[in-house]
Amino acid sequence: NAGVMQNPRHLVRRRGQEARLRCSPMKGHSHVYWYRQLPEEGLKFMVYLQKENIIDESGMPKERFSAEFPKEGPSILRIQQVVRGDSAAYFCASSPPGLLDEQYFGPGTRLTVT
Amino acid sequence: EDKVVQSPLSLVVHEGDTVTLNCSYEVTNFRSLLWYKQEKKAPTFLFMLTSSGIEKKSGRLSSILDKKELSSILNITATQTGDSAIYLCAGGNNDMRFGAGTRLTVKP
Repeated sequence: NAGVMQNPRHLVRRRGQEARLRCSPMKGHSHVYWYRQLPEEGLKFMVYLQKENIIDESGMPKERFSAEFPKEGPSILRIQQVVRGDSAAYFCASSPPGLLDEQYFGPGTRLTVT
Repeated sequence: EDKVVQSPLSLVVHEGDTVTLNCSYEVTNFRSLLWYKQEKKAPTFLFMLTSSGIEKKSGRLSSILDKKELSSILNITATQTGDSAIYLCAGGNNDMRFGAGTRLTVKP
């Protein structure tokens, strides 16, 4: 059973471009969470999704950031018009139904904005 | 504002020592507290604690939650160099709040 998969592992974007980060949860997991880890800081919750639903997006910046988890395919975190401050490691985690707290993390995508 | 505070921020010990890592939380709508070990990659799940006073163990690691004190500890006995990592705790419900982590270094 493959773990949580994220791609790309490294992403370089210039200021003003769009960044798309993908997350495929573990098989059987229907819940996806996105976190951001800034340099020298802890993980910060961004958004919690189930298939086709955003359950909690209280940690998402109000502008430029969006997330989706379609019926088919991976969850996508989209950052429009990236700025230098968006440079961070973005982790996705998934959990199975009924065990929402057992979150298993993917390897992360390191976004660098130049 | 919800917050999770870990202490110490960093800790250096020698192999064989026992360490205790602390986590305190102020989280609305608390459901569980999680401990993770983060090396150079993504955090790996260690423990989930929901009930106060019940110790969870996995090998040399153990953890317990105190809901009255809004805190948890993670103990590691007979430490090894492979235990060197950042240990993260998180508390909350769906929107887990993470602490800054404790950086543990175990010297041979």
